[in-house]
Amino acid sequence: DQQVKQNSPSLSVQEGRISILNCDYTNSMFDYFLWYKKYPAEGPTFLISISSIKDKNEDGRFTVFLNKSAKHLSLHIVPSQPGDSAVYFCAASPWVNYGGATNKLIFGTGTLLAVQP
Amino acid sequence: DGGITQSPKYLFRKEGQNVTLSCEQNLNHDAMYWYRQDPGQGLRLIYYSQIVNDFQKGDIAEGYSVSREKKESFPLTVTSAQKNPTAFYLCASSKRTGNQPQHFGDGTRLSIL
Repeated sequence: DQQVKQNSPSLSVQEGRISILNCDYTNSMFDYFLWYKKYPAEGPTFLISISSIKDKNEDGRFTVFLNKSAKHLSLHIVPSQPGDSAVYFCAASPWVNYGGATNKLIFGTGTLLAVQP
Repeated sequence: DGGITQSPKYLFRKEGQNVTLSCEQNLNHDAMYWYRQDPGQGLRLIYYSQIVNDFQKGDIAEGYSVSREKKESFPLTVTSAQKNPTAFYLCASSKRTGNQPQHFGDGTRLSIL
């Protein structure tokens, strides 16, 4: 049973426009969410995270939105650039208290973003 | 520069052989992880370690073994008991306290000859 779902395997966007990547989760105990970007034959690179006490977090061109009631998060990239073309994974874990157990991340299956020049 | 180094980049194994994948980090992170990625799938956790000399099974530990004798190193052995070892293997590390992002190496692709 997939606890983290990325229902769009791929997305194509024009350069300069907004890219919106979506992620749904089923486990109500998830409290920490992350987005990673991955190029072929490389490891994922951490982009941005959000905890459940927030509904929005921004870092430059990247914004993550969290809707806890819908168990849904999204990543917005504005403006999109050709270098953003990659696979994007969302991941989730339950809240970890200070000094507690290491978070175990549950990953979605990824969305391939293609930004057309 | 601090980071995570996985070696080798590509690895070939004959049927019935054990093979060990290396993972070294100089980020001074306490926690380390091994994941497996198959085509069209997300990353699945094999083993993780919170501190030296301690490790726990992840979701797909069967056919794998690990050790954590040093903070910087977390090698993964793919044993002959792993029936479908061909995959992309990723090592990660993180701080142990609170919610922290995991940082990944560039992976090792293992193939069966």
